[in-house]
Amino acid sequence: ETGVTQSPTHLIKTRGQQVTLRCSSQSGHNTVSWYQQALGQGPQFIFQYYREEENGRGNFPPRFSGLQFPNYSSELNVNALELDDSALYLCASSPGGSGRTEQFFGPGTRLTVL
Amino acid sequence: TQLLEQSPQFLSIQEGENLTVYCNSSSVFSSLQWYRQEPGEGPVLLVTVVTGGEVKKLKRLTFQFGDARKDSSLHITAAQPGDTGLYLCAGVNSNYQLIWGAGTKLIIKP
Repeated sequence: ETGVTQSPTHLIKTRGQQVTLRCSSQSGHNTVSWYQQALGQGPQFIFQYYREEENGRGNFPPRFSGLQFPNYSSELNVNALELDDSALYLCASSPGGSGRTEQFFGPGTRLTVL
Repeated sequence: TQLLEQSPQFLSIQEGENLTVYCNSSSVFSSLQWYRQEPGEGPVLLVTVVTGGEVKKLKRLTFQFGDARKDSSLHITAAQPGDTGLYLCAGVNSNYQLIWGAGTKLIIKP
């Protein structure tokens, strides 16, 4: 069974640029959630996708957008990067279904905005 | 806005000591999860507690869910250097989404 994978592992961008982060969910999981984690803090929920539809969104501006594909992999896109966007971006997949909330995390993508 | 407060934020103790980490909220959660995260990795689920008053044990780790399902605690007995990490609690809300605490950074010195 393959776990959650994310790419790239590290990324450096400058202010105003755009970035796309990728996530492959664990086999059999149809739900993907994205989180932003600042250094020394807990994860902040960005949004969740369930069967290719957005299924909840946290308090993030519209320049944070996402996609889920038919194979349940997912992308996180961030436009007009700001310095405060520097963080670890985590993707988590879960089996979905009523009450199934266990989430399995990838190693994250460390984004640095200069 | 649902919030989860974890305490302490940072804890550094000697190997063999006991410790307790707390996770408190004014909101009721349908369940609560505890994760451990090591540097450069994503969080790993340790346990989910569902019923008010529930106690679960995982070797030297004891997790308790408050009777009112608003708070939880993690107790580690005879801590070992391998327990070092960031411990995170996350409450599951009515939309099956996770509300996260800020984490407790635990260092166990040999």
